[in-house]
Parts: sequence; structure tokens; C-alpha cells
Amino acid sequence: AQSVTQLDSQVPVFEEAPVELRCNYSSSVSVYLFWYVQYPNQGLQLLLKYLSGSTLVESINGFEAEFNKSQTSFHLRKPSVHISDTAEYFCAVSPAGGGFQKLVFGTGTRLLVSP
Amino acid sequence: DGGITQSPKYLFRKEGQNVTLSCEQNLNHDAMYWYRQDPGQGLRLIYYSQIVNDFQKGDIAEGYSVSREKKESFPLTVTSAQKNPTAFYLCASSYTGEGLVSQYFGPGTRLTVL
Repeated sequence: AQSVTQLDSQVPVFEEAPVELRCNYSSSVSVYLFWYVQYPNQGLQLLLKYLSGSTLVESINGFEAEFNKSQTSFHLRKPSVHISDTAEYFCAVSPAGGGFQKLVFGTGTRLLVSP
Repeated sequence: DGGITQSPKYLFRKEGQNVTLSCEQNLNHDAMYWYRQDPGQGLRLIYYSQIVNDFQKGDIAEGYSVSREKKESFPLTVTSAQKNPTAFYLCASSYTGEGLVSQYFGPGTRLTVL
């Protein structure tokens, strides 16, 4: 079975400052890793994912995450945040491989960007 | 445009009543899922379906039921047996092929029991 720990329930940051949202996972098998973003009263949107290959993955809006197998982490970073990045961010894990997989989500980190 | 629709957006129910939440997708995805979201608890899986006419219980299936008669549709019924049904409910869908495991989410239904 897999589990995900998001260490921070809330991260306040000023606009244009860098941010890191932490995610650690536990699994006895190889995994796929995901970050989703949720704006208030909306569904989740896929931000980025790691399936294989390069351990550094990037999104189109400036976020990046690095898969670190030895530390079982998949932290999300952005060098300069905007007010519009205010949202809740969820890390998720599933077993790697083909066929149907179930996602296991962390409890979420609320990113609060202020001017 | 392809996507997932959920209706209604807000739903109010009296205690003791069953209520059905709609989820439709036109992405041609094989798998569909229902999640419940409560503040500070992330998303918890209620039911999922890999194929038409087949579905499995997730982690918190008690008090819920589903059907999958069509590939595009996966309605969720919240029954009177669900002790604490007030929550935000999210439907998702995905392909099931290798490397195609990203789930796509609908906008959600907020259920409030009065």
C-alpha cells in the first residue's frame, strides 16, 4: 500500500517570493507521482506528474517538482509566486505500471500568496 | 470540448433522504471514480469502476451506492445510511493503459444535509 504525507497544511508567502511545498511518500513498489491544484469550490487540475525518465518535471505555469527516490520525496517548487497561485495543492501517488491504478492523496497544502 | 460534468453544483438534503449525484464524461475514459473531500482530510475514494457494469468499493463505501450502465456515466447515490454526508464530492475519470494513469476531475458537487 502507498501513503502520502504533506508536511505543511498551510504555507503563507509574499508575492514574487520562492516557495516549496513538501511531499513525502511511502511505498514498497515503484510509483508514479502527481501534483494537483484546486482553486476554491472547483475540482482538481493536474499540475505535473512523474512517471519515468528525468526526475525533474515542470508545469506550463512555472512550477517544478523533483522526484528523489532515496528520500522518497516529490517536493513542489516555484521560484517566484503570483497572487493567482493562491490555491490548495495535493500530492498523490499510485503504483507504477500498466493497467488500472488507484491514486492515494495527501491531505493538501494551502498556499496563501499575499501582496 | 471534452470534459467531466457534475450536477448539481450545490445540493441540499434533509436527513433520512437518499440523493443522487450525477457525473458524465465525454473523454472516452474507461475508468471512473468518486471521491469525498472534507476539510483537512484530502480526498478519500468512495467507489471506482474500471469498465461498464463493474465497480469496486473504495476506502469509505459505507452508505453510498453507484451504477455504471454506460461508459459515460457514473452516478453516486448517498443513502440515508451515510451518517455524515455533508461534504464536497468529486468525480474523476482516466484511461487504464500503461502510463496513462492521470485522473481528470469534474467541478464537484457540494452536498449539505439540513
